[in-house]
Amino acid sequence: KQEVTQIPAALSVPEGENLVLNCSFTDSAIYNLQWFRQDPGKGLTSLLLIQSSQREQTSGRLNASLDKSSGRSTLYIAASQPGDSATYLCAVVDAGGTSYGKLTFGQGTILTVHP
Amino acid sequence: DAGVIQSPRHEVTEMGQEVTLRCKPISGHDYLFWYRQTMMRGLELLIYFNNNVPIDDSGMPEDRFSAKMPNASFSTLKIQPSEPRDSAVYFCASSPTSGRFFFGPGTRLTVL
Repeated sequence: KQEVTQIPAALSVPEGENLVLNCSFTDSAIYNLQWFRQDPGKGLTSLLLIQSSQREQTSGRLNASLDKSSGRSTLYIAASQPGDSATYLCAVVDAGGTSYGKLTFGQGTILTVHP
Repeated sequence: DAGVIQSPRHEVTEMGQEVTLRCKPISGHDYLFWYRQTMMRGLELLIYFNNNVPIDDSGMPEDRFSAKMPNASFSTLKIQPSEPRDSAVYFCASSPTSGRFFFGPGTRLTVL
């Protein structure tokens, strides 16, 4: 059974810092990996999607990398801003069978960026 | 596109009552998912559909839960009878094949 772990569970940084969020998964046979953002009381917003054949994806100040063989992904946020404060969730879709299309989530990293 | 639409946004009911949650996915998406989020267990997949057909319902906790997708633009999740431990935020999400997941705003369910 796929398990996804995110480290750290919480992170507090001053505005302007570059930071890294970590995600690991136990079964490397994945179809893709996604990073989401969730604001308090809101739904999830997809930030980046990395297919299993890709190594990284970039969107603005966000960069996500994927090392499938080691079961790891990182989300890099450059020049953090208070508006980046949210919970960041990593999720994988397993390859094959009836797992196709099903996201397995980590518990999330709660990020606070203070002015 | 308006995104994934869920209704109601909030539901407060008494134990034993029937609860029906509704979802309209994004047009053209092949997959529809129902997730439940609690502080204790995080996000859990309840059931998902591909082209309106249920594919995996192994996450449905009990027979009290049922889900339908009568057409490509509508799905329901029903709890009958509801219990206090069903209190959670229920999310509907849709996705094109191999694509990003788009989540709705969720329904916050409180069972007294």
